[in-house]
Amino acid sequence: DIQMTQSPSSLSASVGDRVTITCRASQNINNHLNWYQQKPGKAPKLLIYAASSLQSGVPSRFSGSGSGTDFTLTISNLQSEDFATYYCQQSYSLPRTFGQGTKVEIK
Amino acid sequence: QIQLQQSGPGLLRPSQTLSLTCDISGNSVSGNSVAWDWIRQSPSRGLEWLGRTYYRSKWYTEYTLSVKSRITINADTSKNQVSLQLNSVTPEDTAVYFCVRGFLNALETWGQGTLVTVSS
Repeated sequence: DIQMTQSPSSLSASVGDRVTITCRASQNINNHLNWYQQKPGKAPKLLIYAASSLQSGVPSRFSGSGSGTDFTLTISNLQSEDFATYYCQQSYSLPRTFGQGTKVEIK
Repeated sequence: QIQLQQSGPGLLRPSQTLSLTCDISGNSVSGNSVAWDWIRQSPSRGLEWLGRTYYRSKWYTEYTLSVKSRITINADTSKNQVSLQLNSVTPEDTAVYFCVRGFLNALETWGQGTLVTVSS
């Protein structure tokens, strides 16, 4: 199975900040990487697919980059509704696997 | 608008069978470019992909190895729904279970989740 490792596990930030979350795959996955946002008690929500494509309806302050084994999710101008947990997930091979999550908290 | 509505019991005893259904609206279960995945989430295991079914001129199913001997995912075209069965559950199967529509190689639309607790 492909292991996905996110860093950091948690971070504190303020409204208006720029936040960067990284995800590393245990092998080359090309651009088969997706990002999700999850709020407490809710299902994850797709933000970014194929490493850098913004899902319909997702604000443009979310962006993704990377290829191969190293990927980044950036939130520019952090808003109050962005405080949540973020997960990366590889779609290169089965079984689909997820990172352990990055919790973005209010500073 | 695509919606997934999950249903099924939330409390099971060890050795029983977990059975969940996912009613699909706004999309055909046999659509040629979609898949129907089941994922679970627990504090100890995080997000864990269990398996999926999809139709490409015929039905295909794929499962993760750790539950392959106990799991069945089926599609019912007459009801436009998918189902999950997990046999011989143990407390380790306690989790929130999600039905998910897969599209463009991403997990695009999620059901509301069902908390399943396995306890004697």
